[in-house]
Amino acid sequence: GEDVEQSLFLSVREGDSSVINCTYTDSSSTYLYWYKQEPGAGLQLLTYIFSNMDMKQDQRLTVLLNKKDKHLSLRIADTQTGDSAIYFCALASNTGKLIFGQGTTLQVKP
Amino acid sequence: DAGITQSPRHKVTETGTPVTLRCHQTENHRYMYWYRQDPGHGLRLIHYSYGVKDTDKGEVSDGYSVSRSKTEDFLLTLESATSSQTSVYFCAIEGPGELFFGEGSRLTVL
Repeated sequence: GEDVEQSLFLSVREGDSSVINCTYTDSSSTYLYWYKQEPGAGLQLLTYIFSNMDMKQDQRLTVLLNKKDKHLSLRIADTQTGDSAIYFCALASNTGKLIFGQGTTLQVKP
Repeated sequence: DAGITQSPRHKVTETGTPVTLRCHQTENHRYMYWYRQDPGHGLRLIHYSYGVKDTDKGEVSDGYSVSRSKTEDFLLTLESATSSQTSVYFCAIEGPGELFFGEGSRLTVL
């Protein structure tokens, strides 16, 4: 079946760039998603990329998609303490339902 | 806000007792989902509904049942709770192009 993998933890200094990576085994997903979960809250859609795109930029966020290597990444420029959260990549399985990675906890140090 | 509420937000119960979690939406969306979130596993789909009285299993449905008698309410029932069902449970509704999540229900089974 489909599998989505993320590293569990990333620590950066405030002002640095953060890169969160995601790999997947298979996807028929038209869109690939990044969700953000702040402490004690549910997930919120952060950004997404259409499957026929290589890159999407949205203010401080850059999403890169390498379909050949089945690799998705989220880059956050000028990372702030408010960016501390858990970030999930998600894509649609062959049943059409979203599959989530394990989540990457981003810690931003002042 | 996407108009989705979960109750209760926190519950502590004992092994073998029944537990029902409620998800209520005000958006009139057709699809509703129940996920559980556990460290190292991300979000895993338990059950989902595609309309009143129409439900189907997700990847971790054993030990759970659901009901949807009204568009706005989706109930998740643990008939006989076990310690392995200690988790944070999230309800989600499917809007245009994304899932909207509730705030989560933290369940502890002693």
